[in-house]
Amino acid sequence: DTEVTQTPKHLVMGMTNKKSLKCEQHMGHRAMYWYKQKAKKPPELMFVYSYEKLSINESVPSRFSPECPNSSLLNLHLHALQPEDSALYLCASSQAPGVLDTEAFFGQGTRLTVV
Amino acid sequence: GQQVMQIPQYQHVQEGEDFTTYCNSSTTLSNIQWYKQRPGGHPVFLIQLVKSGEVKKQKRLTFQFGEAKKNSSLHITATQTTDVGTYFCAGRSGGSYIPTFGRGTSLIVHP
Repeated sequence: DTEVTQTPKHLVMGMTNKKSLKCEQHMGHRAMYWYKQKAKKPPELMFVYSYEKLSINESVPSRFSPECPNSSLLNLHLHALQPEDSALYLCASSQAPGVLDTEAFFGQGTRLTVV
Repeated sequence: GQQVMQIPQYQHVQEGEDFTTYCNSSTTLSNIQWYKQRPGGHPVFLIQLVKSGEVKKQKRLTFQFGEAKKNSSLHITATQTTDVGTYFCAGRSGGSYIPTFGRGTSLIVHP
């Protein structure tokens, strides 16, 4: 199984809503990532979890709250988002941190629209 | 911080023509990866280059890593409509395992 599964695929939420994005992988990867991608732009790193611990937060606003319940799951909790947060949210995973020769496997993404 | 510049931003070609995208880094890279993202899709890993001067081929795709490990290129021979998408390079420097993505090159192939 070389898949990273993200749910939901599409999400429309109001600015006062609370929602969560979910990501799952069963490749034994110990590094998991959240990226945000706007149209015609490269993926922009948001968070990195290394061995289930948050290792990098790229100055992301607190309305985005990541969680890593176990080595296979990664969540992104959303609250009080703004319309400019509308984007494709990508989850990715790779082998254990510190292993340089490793590729990232991306999920299909959640296309989020904030209204 | 590390920057990875990628050009061109867009490239229109007629089917059968060749295509090349280039990446340049402000710092020496430990490795560079290439990803392809189809329209409406997600990035998919193509290849990783690690050694200075390395050249790797995948069918019609040729990937090169510069001698100084600061630049890389992806060349597609005789493009097909299935090659349409955005090609990203992603470089890592130092001991970081987090790649920095270039802005991508969008390839449009006209039949």
